[in-house]
Amino acid sequence: DVKVTQSSRYLVKRTGEKVFLECVQDMDHENMFWYRQDPGLGLRLIYFSYDVKMKEKGDIPEGYSVSREKKERFSLILESASTNQTSMYLCASSLPLSNQPQHFGDGTRLSIL
Amino acid sequence: AQTVTQSQPEMSVQEAETVTLSCTYDTSESDYYLFWYKQPPSRQMILVIRQEAYKQQNATENRFSVNFQKAAKSFSLKISDSQLGDAAMYFCAYRRVKTSYDKVIFGPGTSLSVIP
Repeated sequence: DVKVTQSSRYLVKRTGEKVFLECVQDMDHENMFWYRQDPGLGLRLIYFSYDVKMKEKGDIPEGYSVSREKKERFSLILESASTNQTSMYLCASSLPLSNQPQHFGDGTRLSIL
Repeated sequence: AQTVTQSQPEMSVQEAETVTLSCTYDTSESDYYLFWYKQPPSRQMILVIRQEAYKQQNATENRFSVNFQKAAKSFSLKISDSQLGDAAMYFCAYRRVKTSYDKVIFGPGTSLSVIP
């Protein structure tokens, strides 16, 4: 089974801090994704990566950056955390085919105070 | 731009009964994939079922089946013999057949409660 591991289940940070969310997958998937999940809005794509050091902006990239130095690891960075970035963050990975499902981590519930 | 709509924010079903969750989408593409994902409370999101747009036959996975109406751009999920473990958020999702790094578009979700 594919395993997607997010480094923290719950995280509390302060406004202005630089925040790192880490995601690791063990199935050699080319594609990796970061989503933000908010009630009534579903999943919104922040960034995705289709290869090492490659990235594409999603629908809501403002205030975020990403890093993919190794194939198995995809990091989401909040450069200067703000209260409106309080949310559930989901990482996912998949093979590079349109019919392949995404495999999700458990999510990180991030609170910015 | 493609969009996915789930018009039922919340639904409930009696245990052992059948429930149908609605999903509509908007696209100008002729070839694409549709998915239903399930997210149980505090647990991982997992794939329930997928449908390829060029296939006329509706996909089925055990108690889960879809009613895919391509012309109407409708993709509903039917859960038969509902069980307590079916209680979850359900997300409908769309992905066009294009480049290898194309994104998936998710609907807002439907929260399903199962009443014992």
